[in-house]
Amino acid sequence: GAGVSQSPSNKVTEKGKDVELRCDPISGHTALYWYRQSLGQGLEFLIYFQGNSAPDKSGLPSDRFSAERTGGSVSTLTIQRTQQEDSAVYLCASSPQVGVSYEQYFGPGTRLTVT
Amino acid sequence: DAKTTQPPSMDCAEGRAANLPCNHSTISGNEYVYWYRQIHSQGPQYIIHGLKNNETNEMASLIITEDRKSSTLILPHATLRDTAVYYCIVSSHSSGSARQLTFGSGTQLTVLP
Repeated sequence: GAGVSQSPSNKVTEKGKDVELRCDPISGHTALYWYRQSLGQGLEFLIYFQGNSAPDKSGLPSDRFSAERTGGSVSTLTIQRTQQEDSAVYLCASSPQVGVSYEQYFGPGTRLTVT
Repeated sequence: DAKTTQPPSMDCAEGRAANLPCNHSTISGNEYVYWYRQIHSQGPQYIIHGLKNNETNEMASLIITEDRKSSTLILPHATLRDTAVYYCIVSSHSSGSARQLTFGSGTQLTVLP
């Protein structure tokens, strides 16, 4: 079946502009995660959704970052007033999170470059 | 979650089995062993997971020792496309709570032609 998709695949934006990143999870997956990964670095957790609610926003680096999920499906991550340090690959993952199935399936990521 | 220890790098000849070890001596009874990999410039990819029994799927086999203190991921016929960093993670299943992934250093597997 279809995997996790993300759009756009690449985004170049000027410092100070707002950007929206989109994630379409695997159908039926209740859990959705946003991470970011800077060049050569590990995964940095940003936010977790269970259904439409976000019980864990602890990873959001500042109040410029926000995310929402609607209909238990599509999620958008918004970064306001982008800064150069926001440049990274933003990864979305979904998980069935039921029974013994807690594995996460990742999308291809959105490469964000802030100039 | 319990800590894991993996060798930093391994080589494997193309077509041969790749056996990647992981130590998790502090694993608790309700923690699962998960394996992911990350091919250069791609997002992480789930491979397999298990609790105490050996598991097999279309990608790999997972062998967990009886005391559950270590495990081995087996890629039965490695190809050049299996070159990646492989991560072993232990994690419990907690309904409704975030189970965000934290990757350690992993094992860089290089499949040689």
